[in-house]
Amino acid sequence: QKEVEQNSGPLSVPEGAIASLNCTYSDRGSQSFFWYRQYSGKSPELIMSIYSNGDKEDGRFTAQLNKASQYVSLLIRDSQPSDSATYLCAVIFNDMRFGAGTRLTVKP
Amino acid sequence: DGGITQSPKYLFRKEGQNVTLSCEQNLNHDAMYWYRQDPGQGLRLIYYSQIVNDFQKGDIAEGYSVSREKKESFPLTVTSAQKNPTAFYLCATHPGQGAHEQFFGPGTRLTVL
Repeated sequence: QKEVEQNSGPLSVPEGAIASLNCTYSDRGSQSFFWYRQYSGKSPELIMSIYSNGDKEDGRFTAQLNKASQYVSLLIRDSQPSDSATYLCAVIFNDMRFGAGTRLTVKP
Repeated sequence: DGGITQSPKYLFRKEGQNVTLSCEQNLNHDAMYWYRQDPGQGLRLIYYSQIVNDFQKGDIAEGYSVSREKKESFPLTVTSAQKNPTAFYLCATHPGQGAHEQFFGPGTRLTVL
């Protein structure tokens, strides 16, 4: 069983819409959760971290965590073409574990 | 990436050769990591080091070696024992106690000819 699972996509949304990216994880003891954005050919860039149940907002990004359901999500409001990238979910077990990523395309 | 540099950006290796990838940081971070990324897969941990002169194997250490002689530097050697080394290699750092985020260098793309 994979430790961190994401839909590979591609997820396509029109410009201005809300993009919703989802991630599930296997270890109930995990306490730290992260979202990274990776443009094609580039390295991952940290965009959000979340440690407590509930929502955390930062600009157009909202991370949502539900530890009981072992589920973390990322919402991108007012999506822009520049948001087109692969989004990696990362969870700390003993060390950091990454999902395979969801590829997001925002169409003008 | 910021204060993390990796070189070279692109590297070509002939079969049977050892190659060394450089990772340098000026962030004064204690921990450093090496990951490998293959198309359609998540990052897989090769080696990590939490302190100078100490390092631990990750999930896919076979065919790789590292050293940590200075806090700023964590080079990765891809040996001839690594049978499928073509991949994108990422170095990351972690500030240490109280912080959990990792920050990545720009990466090295290794291709076996």
